Amino acid sequence: DAKTTQPTSMDCAEGRAANLPCNHSTISGNEYVYWYRQIHSQGPQYIIHGLKNNETNEMASLIITEDRKSSTLILPHATLRDTAVYYCIVRVGGGNAGDMLTFGGGTRLMVKP
Amino acid sequence: GAVVSQHPSWVICKSGTSVKIECRSLDFQATTMFWYRQFPKQSLMLMATSNEGSKATYEQGVEKDKFLINHASLTLSTLTVTSAHPEDSSFYICSARDRRDTQYFGPGTRLTVL
Repeated sequence: DAKTTQPTSMDCAEGRAANLPCNHSTISGNEYVYWYRQIHSQGPQYIIHGLKNNETNEMASLIITEDRKSSTLILPHATLRDTAVYYCIVRVGGGNAGDMLTFGGGTRLMVKP
Repeated sequence: GAVVSQHPSWVICKSGTSVKIECRSLDFQATTMFWYRQFPKQSLMLMATSNEGSKATYEQGVEKDKFLINHASLTLSTLTVTSAHPEDSSFYICSARDRRDTQYFGPGTRLTVL
């Protein structure tokens, strides 16, 4: 069973914020939300992850709802190079006992000039 | 972020030959590495989990005698596709997990079997 639900595709204008939603209504208390992206013909790139607090780094912000049933990845100023498939993944964290990553279909983000 | 390399980036081989793909964590040690396969227009599928110094754990449907995995050090894991056939043509990607439990992926190896 899929643990996350994401829209199949989204468009975003260059320079605008890209907001990518993810539903994970069955998330467990010890599961983290991870975001990766994959640019065509490359390996996935780690973006950000969080448990329940909002997180921000140099690439993006992650907003997790209070009930943790959904989250949004925000790219504040999208560029053409952000065109990629974005994967939202939930997994148990915490050291070497953590689960492996299971990839779903992801969201294909197209940033347009 | 941490860097993971793969070699070669692409390889073309004849049917029946074996191909070895290397995965290295360049600036961190990885007790656990993972091997994925991705067919065109599909998502990544986990093939096996590789633990340093022990046998790999294979996902259901992945033949361990065909896809040999060796994780001899904390920075190197290898995947050997034995007796490759055209249906093994795919994009093979490895990842390495760091001490903070974050996985970093290599750039992938495109295998084409003629």
